[in-house]
Amino acid sequence: EADIYQTPRYLVIGTGKKITLECSQTMGHDKMYWYQQDPGMELHLIHYSYGVNSTEKGDLSSESTVSRIRTEHFPLTLESARPSHTSQYLCASSGRGRYEQYFGPGTRLTVT
Amino acid sequence: GIQVEQSPPDLILQEGANSTLRCNFSDSVNNLQWFHQNPWGQLINLFYIPSGTKQNGRLSATTVATERYSLLYISSSQTTDSGVYFCAVERGETSGSRLTFGEGTQLTVNP
Repeated sequence: EADIYQTPRYLVIGTGKKITLECSQTMGHDKMYWYQQDPGMELHLIHYSYGVNSTEKGDLSSESTVSRIRTEHFPLTLESARPSHTSQYLCASSGRGRYEQYFGPGTRLTVT
Repeated sequence: GIQVEQSPPDLILQEGANSTLRCNFSDSVNNLQWFHQNPWGQLINLFYIPSGTKQNGRLSATTVATERYSLLYISSSQTTDSGVYFCAVERGETSGSRLTFGEGTQLTVNP
């Protein structure tokens, strides 16, 4: 069983606020990912990292930014939240030489 | 990019029934995974299966890479099997585990 954590689980915030979604894993995985998922829809990769100080944009354009200063931590930041950012954000990780991805419980973000 | 199509989009079963979910993909892959998303949104990795057949309890999966499809079998379904089943793939020439997800199959198992 994977140990990957996301906080907060639910967030309701007003337009224009800066937010940071936290993601941590305790498995020492080198690769980490952020996905965005609208209700009833498929997941889209928005950011990924192959290790410390490595970050890349994914297949879906996103106004969010990420950082990877520590192996276990991969936070996502929105500088100015908008209603169009309302969605579920899922963090995942996978180990060196492995393909299986393990997901956190997700953060449901609502921007009013 | 690679296209992933899952069928059927929705499936309703009575408890105890068997089912087959299909995933078609448009290019060669080196990575194919099946996930179950429960009603609370948590995704669980079911199988990593770029080719061949695997079984885990009541679930099994088969991928025929040369024909670009994968099947997920659920036997003796239970209400806890309800949720969305996603197939996700990565193209053959990449190696970073950048998955492309299908739209999923929504499974409802009634008691």
